[in-house]
Amino acid sequence: EVQLVESGGGLVKPGGSLRLSCGGSGFTFRSFSMNWVRQAPGKGPEWVASITGSSSHIYYAHSVKGRFTISRDNAKNSLYLQMDNLRDEDTATYFCARDPSGSRVINWFDTWGQGILVTVSS
Amino acid sequence: QSVLTQPPSVSAAPGQSVSVSCTGNSSNIGAGYDVHWYRQLPGTAPKLVIYATTNRPSGVPDRFSGSKSGATASLAVTGLHADDEAIYYCQSFDDTLSGSLFGGGTRLTVL
Repeated sequence: EVQLVESGGGLVKPGGSLRLSCGGSGFTFRSFSMNWVRQAPGKGPEWVASITGSSSHIYYAHSVKGRFTISRDNAKNSLYLQMDNLRDEDTATYFCARDPSGSRVINWFDTWGQGILVTVSS
Repeated sequence: QSVLTQPPSVSAAPGQSVSVSCTGNSSNIGAGYDVHWYRQLPGTAPKLVIYATTNRPSGVPDRFSGSKSGATASLAVTGLHADDEAIYYCQSFDDTLSGSLFGGGTRLTVL
């Protein structure tokens, strides 16, 4: 079974840092682009960042560029999101999601994790 | 306000049909990029129902279909069931943002 599981969320103060992890199983992790998508309470999803299978191409939403860093370790079947200088508006459930298209253009997400809550508050 | 505009809500009776629109511009849908659709129930992750504008993942009934004309994409659901109730989101790529966009979501209610 294809599965993604996020971890590392929690409560952090504004200006603080947090590192999210996402473990993949049931598929050849290195062959897929991976993404982080977040959803603030009561809002729609917002794409955050994308990384190709070989880490050769990385993209960020304007709202997080310069503060968040996406990375992956294919040997560990893991995806990461390092979040620095966190703001109140970063409060959201963060999902990791798989893009099966094989394209450099970010396409559809066919598998999602269950999501992990990040709360930024003093 | 999202760059991809969806109606806040649509509704119809069981057995009827509905269509959900997603209007973008010349940087995204109008530039020829594919549109993808998800449904989401409270407290759960979005689930893909249409990819690459017109394709259904395995397991999604053929009552769901997608189309596109110019800068507007549409999701059609025919033969509505009570369990089709959910929030539906469109998604596409945007040249100007060099990233992916989601619409604001449409709540589908089966009356």
